[in-house]
Amino acid sequence: DAGVIQSPRHEVTEMGQEVTLRCKPISGHNSLFWYRQTMMRGLELLIYFNNNVPIDDSGMPEDRFSAKMPNASFSTLKIQPSEPRDSAVYFCASSSLGESRNYGYTFGSGTRLTVV
Amino acid sequence: AQSVTQLGSHVSVSEGALVLLRCNYSSSVPPYLFWYVQYPNQGLQLLLKYTSAATLVKGINGFEAEFKKSETSFHLTKPSAHMSDAAEYFCAVSGRYSSASKIIFGSGTRLSIRP
Repeated sequence: DAGVIQSPRHEVTEMGQEVTLRCKPISGHNSLFWYRQTMMRGLELLIYFNNNVPIDDSGMPEDRFSAKMPNASFSTLKIQPSEPRDSAVYFCASSSLGESRNYGYTFGSGTRLTVV
Repeated sequence: AQSVTQLGSHVSVSEGALVLLRCNYSSSVPPYLFWYVQYPNQGLQLLLKYTSAATLVKGINGFEAEFKKSETSFHLTKPSAHMSDAAEYFCAVSGRYSSASKIIFGSGTRLSIRP
């Protein structure tokens, strides 16, 4: 099992540009979570999906952020336009629906985003 | 609603000394509790979990945690620290009877090991 795969590992972009982060969950997992980690705010849940359907997006900071999960094996987190305060490490995690309570999540290695 | 509070954003111990990382939880329903570890430039890894069986839970790398309902605590311990234990540790909680699969993380405790 390759685990949760995120791409790119590092992204540097200029303010105002569109940024797309990608995630491939573990095969068979049907819950997917996007987190943002910063020194100031710690680990924040942005949005999560069950069976490709967004369940809770209350953590999405503002309209510049959007997330999609077109199928069970792929999700994107898009920031448009990007701002320097969006600089952070973005993590994707997946689990089996209803089983995360028992087994927790499996996290990807993260995407380090720097907006200059 | 569930939440966790980790006491101490940074803990430093000597190699070979006892490691104690504190976590208190708040939950309106019986909780599931987790400890995760994050090494530099990596994602979070599950260290151990409490899901209602034994209150003393053993995890990987010699860590263990004890669920104490009366104290609403789930502190993480290791008898003898090793240099490789230096990392960020996160306590997390999920509601046992909640249909949602969301897990709430604490703010993290950075563990440093002195030679």
